[in-house]
Amino acid sequence: GAGVSQSPSNKVTEKGKDVELRCDPISGHTALYWYRQRLGQGLEFLIYFQGNSAPDKSGLPSDRFSAERTGESVSTLTIQRTQQEDSAVYLCASSSFDSRVSPLHFGNGTRLTVT
Amino acid sequence: DAKTTQPTSMDCAEGRAANLPCNHSTISGNEYVYWYRQIHSQGPQYIIHGLKNNETNEMASLIITEDRKSSTLILPHATLRDTAVYYCIVSRGNTGKLIFGQGTTLQVKP
Repeated sequence: GAGVSQSPSNKVTEKGKDVELRCDPISGHTALYWYRQRLGQGLEFLIYFQGNSAPDKSGLPSDRFSAERTGESVSTLTIQRTQQEDSAVYLCASSSFDSRVSPLHFGNGTRLTVT
Repeated sequence: DAKTTQPTSMDCAEGRAANLPCNHSTISGNEYVYWYRQIHSQGPQYIIHGLKNNETNEMASLIITEDRKSSTLILPHATLRDTAVYYCIVSRGNTGKLIFGQGTTLQVKP
């Protein structure tokens, strides 16, 4: 079946502009995660959605970052007034809640370049 | 969630077994050990997980020590396509965020 889909795959934007990154999780997956990966670095947790519960926003680096998810479907990560240090690959993952140990399924990310 | 310690890099000859260690000395009783890998320019891929028993699937085997303070991921016959960064994570399960460390860069050489 279809995996996690992210769009766009690449985005180049000018410093100061706002960007929206989209994630389509696997159908039926109630949990959705956003991570950031800077060049040559590990994955940095940003935010976690689980069903209708309040999201865990503890990883968002500043108030310029926000994310939304409607129900158990698409999620959008928005970065306002982009800065050069926001340049990174933004990865989305989803998992089912059939059991506690359902693995995460990742998309291939959106590569964001801020010039 | 407990922290993990992994070597920064390892080499392995093609066709040989790759044994990737992970220390998680502060793991608690309800935390699982997960392994993921990330091939260049792709999102991470789930490999295997375990609680206290050894586990095997079509990709790899996971050996967890009796005290659960360390584990080893075994790729029985490494191929060039197994060259990737391998992440060991401990977590209570999909009840929240998974914290990825820096992982081990495995280079499989011909």
